[in-house]
Amino acid sequence: DTEVTQTPKHLVMGMTNKKSLKCEQHMGHRAMYWYKQKAKKPPELMFVYSYEKLSINESVPSRFSPECPNSSLLNLHLHALQPEDSALYLCASSQETLGSGSTQYFGPGTRLTVL
Amino acid sequence: AQSVTQLGSHVSVSEGALVLLRCNYSSSVPPYLFWYVQYPNQGLQLLLKYTTGATLVKGINGFEAEFKKSETSFHLTKPSAHMSDAAEYFCAVSLGTALIFGKGTTLSVSS
Repeated sequence: DTEVTQTPKHLVMGMTNKKSLKCEQHMGHRAMYWYKQKAKKPPELMFVYSYEKLSINESVPSRFSPECPNSSLLNLHLHALQPEDSALYLCASSQETLGSGSTQYFGPGTRLTVL
Repeated sequence: AQSVTQLGSHVSVSEGALVLLRCNYSSSVPPYLFWYVQYPNQGLQLLLKYTTGATLVKGINGFEAEFKKSETSFHLTKPSAHMSDAAEYFCAVSLGTALIFGKGTTLSVSS
């Protein structure tokens, strides 16, 4: 099973709201990722967690706050977002971080709209 | 620095025709290379992956890709296109902690 699940599938929020995106995998993978994807563009890396510790933050604004409660779960907490943050947010996981050649498996994404 | 170039942002073929999507990479060391497909409003699905060994890699849905070190290429092919192949295709390279994606190629298939 190579499934990564994400909830919710769609999310509409105002600029003053606080919401969270959830990602889950049960493949025993030790690396998990958040990506942001705008229409007609490739995914852009936001965060990397390795063994439940944040290893990469690609200069993402603090209104995005990642959390890795355990090895199977990854959350992305959202607060005071801007309309330009509207995008598809993708979660991914891999057995190890990619330097070892591990394959990254993606979830279906959360379509976020900020009003 | 690594990079990936996908030649042609949009490729159109007829159903039953050959599909050829081009990808060139730049890397100072042998890379790990991937092709992903993305259907509308969905996540990315792995088509195939090159690590080391055999240069012709077979993937899902009848796709395959050939790693050519001399040409620094990893082009994706399928002998006969199907309507269901219409999607966005991304080539990606990995030599560190993250995937570096090409800009993507939209494949359209007409009947």
